[in-house]
Amino acid sequence: GEDVEQSLFLSVREGDSSVINCTYTDSSSTYLYWYKQEPGAGLQLLTYIFSNMDMKQDQRLTVLLNKKDKHLSLRIADTQTGDSAIYFCAETLRGGSYIPTFGRGTSLIVHP
Amino acid sequence: DTAVSQTPKYLVTQMGNDKSIKCEQNLGHDTMYWYKQDSKKFLKIMFSYNNKELIINETVPNRFSPKSPDKAHLNLHINSLELGDSAVYFCASSQAGGLNNEQFFGPGTRLTVL
Repeated sequence: GEDVEQSLFLSVREGDSSVINCTYTDSSSTYLYWYKQEPGAGLQLLTYIFSNMDMKQDQRLTVLLNKKDKHLSLRIADTQTGDSAIYFCAETLRGGSYIPTFGRGTSLIVHP
Repeated sequence: DTAVSQTPKYLVTQMGNDKSIKCEQNLGHDTMYWYKQDSKKFLKIMFSYNNKELIINETVPNRFSPKSPDKAHLNLHINSLELGDSAVYFCASSQAGGLNNEQFFGPGTRLTVL
């Protein structure tokens, strides 16, 4: 099975909060990431969290990490149409290579 | 200034041809990568390369080969193209052991094999 799993689609109304979820299997993660891919573009790092942290907040973005359940979430407050994109969860492993393992991506659709 | 650039952006070719995609990064990073993104947006690592080590995803056919003329460039050569090679190919770079191992992606090359 895949090491990093995400649901494929999320649809929200503009102004609402979006929560994108991710589960991973390897407990030896060092960093966990959220990348954003806008249409026709490459991935861009949105935010990341070190594995010994529980939460990280950056303006409208809140990342929550539950190490016991191996669950990572990204909350986007006051979601805007410009937030419509694919969001990829990824992890790198302690003692491993620097190559992240990506999830399949969650397509966030924001409608008026 | 563009950090990671790829050319061409679009590539349409016939089955059986040989083609190359070029990648350049001006970030001074020591590691570069090639990824393949299929029609369902699944992203798969193909190669990771720095001046010391080439890591190849064992599922990548040997028709694909990376070529690095210098630290700032990692080109992708594909021989005997097949229909299943149609995808978007992304180049990326990072600084191994950097602050958070952030990967910087190029804009992608959409390859269509007819």
